[in-house]
Amino acid sequence: ETAVFQTPNYHVTQVGNEVSFNCKQTLGHDTMYWYKQDSKKLLKIMFSYNNKQLIVNETVPRRFSPQSSDKAHLNLRIKSVEPEDSAVYLCASSAGGAQDTQYFGPGTRLLVL
Amino acid sequence: GDSVTQTEGLVTLTKGLPVMLNCTYQTTYSPFLFWYVQHLNEAPKLLLKSSTDNKRTEHQGFYATLHKSSSSFHLQKSSVQLSDSALYFCALSTNYNVLYFGSGTKLTVEP
Repeated sequence: ETAVFQTPNYHVTQVGNEVSFNCKQTLGHDTMYWYKQDSKKLLKIMFSYNNKQLIVNETVPRRFSPQSSDKAHLNLRIKSVEPEDSAVYLCASSAGGAQDTQYFGPGTRLLVL
Repeated sequence: GDSVTQTEGLVTLTKGLPVMLNCTYQTTYSPFLFWYVQHLNEAPKLLLKSSTDNKRTEHQGFYATLHKSSSSFHLQKSSVQLSDSALYFCALSTNYNVLYFGSGTKLTVEP
């Protein structure tokens, strides 16, 4: 099956903890992304990676750090979570061109208590 | 900077009626426009896309035409179905190849 896979589905944690989310794509794409979808359903780009290299960082707080071991994997680490980090984090991949369709994973829902 | 505006937050219609969801954008680059649909508790999925001025693009009964003169890419369907109830996002891609999404329109179709 070719798709974008994310783990975990759901994570609950306390303020100040560190969390990590995983994303893997089996579509053979070169470019991967992290988006944040907040409680109002607003979707915003966080990071873009092309073949393990950071391309775009959209003014994301320093406590967020993406990590890519190869072009099929893009993880997201949050060093010290804050309440406003509660959201759904969506991973996506594409062939990398502006006209190319981005395929989204099911998302990781983070709740910070 | 690049941005997308969707003016309707909520649209409620009776099955069988036509719908138009508005989308306008701002960019100084050559635009690629997308409509994504997100059903409840699912990932956003591409509905249709275009970068060609004044050419209608269609998929699954939905259609849209990119008008660069008015910076618009409105989504239409002639007869909505119950299964069309979902969140619809208009999105813009330019030279950085990331998607800038509008605020979304929640479409609810009633029997």
